Amino acid sequence: DAKTTQPNSMESNEEEPVHLPCNHSTISGTDYIHWYRQLPSQGPEYVIHGLTSNVNNRMASLAIAEDRKSSTLILHRATLRDAAVYYCILRDGSGNTGKLIFGQGTTLQVKP
Amino acid sequence: DVKVTQSSRYLVKRTGEKVFLECVQDMDHENMFWYRQDPGLGLRLIYFSYDVKMKEKGDIPEGYSVSREKKERFSLILESASTNQTSMYLCASSRTLAGLAAGNTIYFGEGSWLTVV
Repeated sequence: DAKTTQPNSMESNEEEPVHLPCNHSTISGTDYIHWYRQLPSQGPEYVIHGLTSNVNNRMASLAIAEDRKSSTLILHRATLRDAAVYYCILRDGSGNTGKLIFGQGTTLQVKP
Repeated sequence: DVKVTQSSRYLVKRTGEKVFLECVQDMDHENMFWYRQDPGLGLRLIYFSYDVKMKEKGDIPEGYSVSREKKERFSLILESASTNQTSMYLCASSRTLAGLAAGNTIYFGEGSWLTVV
């Protein structure tokens, strides 16, 4: 399974944009890039995913490098509720289950 | 909204007991997963299932079994609970569309905190 590398922790100020990086140099052509986040004492929740093109939704934006070996999750205006562990995961598109293999994630702290 | 419901939020069991963790999803998803989460180790995949009565081992299946008799229900079974199975257990589900699962969202339950004493 292809792996991802993320910084262990990041800090941001409230109301400022946050860029969370992820390296996935061994990504294969069929792997989708998924981002999930986990708030304390809760299960992970979906944030965004993409294959090749940049993606936007109401929660965030996903910028994917042209060679697909890295990506960046962008939270446009961080709030205190965005403090969580953010996981960047590759999901295998060649199989029929697409199981998620989680890494350690980035713990995001948001300061008021 | 998709809902993944885990039957018990907190359980305390004795060593050697048989433990059942139940998970139900309400969106007719083909794929279901069981993970456990431990501090410093992150989320690790125990078992997954891509259809009724079908199951595949994840990364840490030892000491666990699963059952999927109906599409909406995926049960994790600890045949003889041990203290090293004290953990938070997460169930998840996702759809397969046109033979592809990876482009679809995975939905997680709230988690079941199991303590084995």
